[in-house]
Amino acid sequence: AQKITQTQPGMFVQEKEAVTLDCTYDTSDPSYGLFWYKQPSSGEMIFLIYQGSYDQQNATEGRYSLNFQKARKSANLVISASQLGDSAMYFCAMREDLAGGTSYGKLTFGQGTILTVHP
Amino acid sequence: DTGVSQDPRHKITKRGQNVTFRCDPISEHNRLYWYRQTLGQGPEFLTYFQNEAQLEKSRLLSDRFSAERPKGSFSTLEIQRTEQGDSAMYLCASSPLRGQGKVSPLHFGNGTRLTVT
Repeated sequence: AQKITQTQPGMFVQEKEAVTLDCTYDTSDPSYGLFWYKQPSSGEMIFLIYQGSYDQQNATEGRYSLNFQKARKSANLVISASQLGDSAMYFCAMREDLAGGTSYGKLTFGQGTILTVHP
Repeated sequence: DTGVSQDPRHKITKRGQNVTFRCDPISEHNRLYWYRQTLGQGPEFLTYFQNEAQLEKSRLLSDRFSAERPKGSFSTLEIQRTEQGDSAMYLCASSPLRGQGKVSPLHFGNGTRLTVT
């Protein structure tokens, strides 16, 4: 079974500073994907970034980067140059890749981290 | 791409009543997922479909919950004999089988908020 742990219930950051949101995972699957989603107070879930377990390089998407350390089973999200609009709940999630990566299973989510950006 | 649509946005019901929610996925997406989210928690998987086939159902899901996707397009989630513990946000998501390379992220709707009184 897959398990995602986000140990930071809340984080605070000053506008324009960088912040790291922690995520550790546990799985016995050899192939899997790691995702980060943002959920603002309005409620929608917004996909931010993806990292595959066999990807050699850490994923980056604009101001978002994923610090993937496979041996430590961690997939931390780094947000650079924080903006007020980054204030939201952030979820780390894992998906098992089935049948050699030709099919995908469900997403399993962590408990989330509330990020507050101060002006 | 009109996004994932869920109806209704809010539902208030009395304990013991049955409720049904509807989800319209992004049209070309084969996969459809249902999740439940309580306040301050991450979404909890309920079930998912590939086309009209229900591929997996959470072991934690009570038999009061049933989901269908009869023609492989929209889906319904029914809760029978609702209990106060069923109060939550019910999220629907869809994804292609293989899109954007290997990524195929889930695209979520805005959810149906259920309150059982």
